[in-house]
Amino acid sequence: SQQGEEDPQALSIQEGENATMNCSYKTSINNLQWYRQNSGRGLVHLILIRSNEREKHSGRLRVTLDTSKKSSSLLITASRAADTASYFCAPLGETSGSRLTFGEGTQLTVNP
Amino acid sequence: DAGVTQSPTHLIKTRGQQVTLRCSPKSGHDTVSWYQQALGQGPQFIFQYYEEEERQRGNFPDRFSGHQYPNYSSELNVNALLLGDSALYLCASSFDSLTEAFFGQGTRLTVV
Repeated sequence: SQQGEEDPQALSIQEGENATMNCSYKTSINNLQWYRQNSGRGLVHLILIRSNEREKHSGRLRVTLDTSKKSSSLLITASRAADTASYFCAPLGETSGSRLTFGEGTQLTVNP
Repeated sequence: DAGVTQSPTHLIKTRGQQVTLRCSPKSGHDTVSWYQQALGQGPQFIFQYYEEEERQRGNFPDRFSGHQYPNYSSELNVNALLLGDSALYLCASSFDSLTEAFFGQGTRLTVV
C-alpha cells in the first residue's frame, strides 16, 4: 500500500518560528494530502496537492511536492501555540483508491 | 452542516464482548472509511464502504465487520473484543475517491 513516512518524528520550536515537516513515499501518486490531529481528536484536512503541482499555499501553510524524489514538505510559517499537534501526510496513488495510509506523523510542539 | 458525527464518544467493554460504533457522513458524501488509531501511532485503515458495499479492506481480522445504509451512514462492528482492540476509532467520509476526507472526532474504545 502507499504509505507516507513523516520526518522528523518530533519537532519543538518557539512561537513565531517556522516549522518544516517532510514526507516521503514509494510509488507514483495522484495527489498527496496533509492532515493535522490535535491530541486524541479527529484528523483535520489541511491541504491537497496534485501530482502535477509543485507548490501550494493556504494561509500560513506552504506545501511542496517533488515527484522525482517522491517527497513533500509542509511549512508552517509564524507558528503559534495552537499549531501544536501531530501532522500526517497521506499519498494517494492510482492503486490505493481512496484509502489513506498514514505513517506515525510528526509531533509538533510550539512553545509560547 | 454537522460534518462527520460519530457515536458514542467513549465506550468501555469487557474482553469477549461485541461492540457497534456508528458514523454519519458529511452531507453529500457517499464514501465512508474506518480507521483504528492506537496510542502514539498513526491511523490504520480498516475498511471502506461505498454504495453499501465494502470496497477496500485493510489488514484486519474478520472480527471487524461493517455496514453502510442507503443514507450512507455506517457502522463498525467488532466481535470477541481483545484488550488490543482498545484504540481511537475514526470514521472519515468523502465524496470522490481522490478528494480530501473529513474525519469525525472518533470513538475511544477501552477493552478491560
